[in-house]
Amino acid sequence: NAGVMQNPRHLVRRRGQEARLRCSPMKGHSHVYWYRQLPEEGLKFMVYLQKENIIDESGMPKERFSAEFPKEGPSILRIQQVVRGDSAAYFCASSPLGRDYGYTFGSGTRLTVV
Amino acid sequence: KQEVTQIPAALSVPEGENLVLNCSFTDSAIYNLQWFRQDPGKGLTSLLLIQSSQREQTSGRLNASLDKSSGRSTLYIAASQPGDSATYLCAVNRDDKIIFGKGTRLHILP
Repeated sequence: NAGVMQNPRHLVRRRGQEARLRCSPMKGHSHVYWYRQLPEEGLKFMVYLQKENIIDESGMPKERFSAEFPKEGPSILRIQQVVRGDSAAYFCASSPLGRDYGYTFGSGTRLTVV
Repeated sequence: KQEVTQIPAALSVPEGENLVLNCSFTDSAIYNLQWFRQDPGKGLTSLLLIQSSQREQTSGRLNASLDKSSGRSTLYIAASQPGDSATYLCAVNRDDKIIFGKGTRLHILP
């Protein structure tokens, strides 16, 4: 079991470009969560997805950010027209069905906007 | 709105000492509480998961307690080692998302 896989590990984008972050959950996990960690800040919830459904996106910025978890393939967090303030570590977590289980996190994608 | 607070923000202790990290949360209606460890520039490693019906969990030198009614959890680390140096994060699960504290940066002095 390879755990939660995130790629790329590091991503550099110029202002105005698009960033695509990928997350493959653990085998058998049907729930995916995205978190953002700004420098010297705590982890902030962004979005919770199940296959083909966004369950809770209350932590997502209203513009430029979107997330999906298609029937096949990894979950994608997409940031359009990146700005310097988007520079952060983005972590993905997965969980099996049911709230009695803990979360397993990936190693994160560190986005730098130059 | 659930808020999670961790005290202290940073802690330095000599190797071999026992220590306690504190976590408090404002809404006691949680499903579970999870303690994580994060090394600099790395991801999160789950240490212990305590269900809302449980009072404590143990793994090796780590022991975590949960008092839902008072909104508190503690992480006890016995016989600390330099390899324990990391940031320790407390996270509570409510409404199917987990809310993190800002963590305690622990430094074990050799």
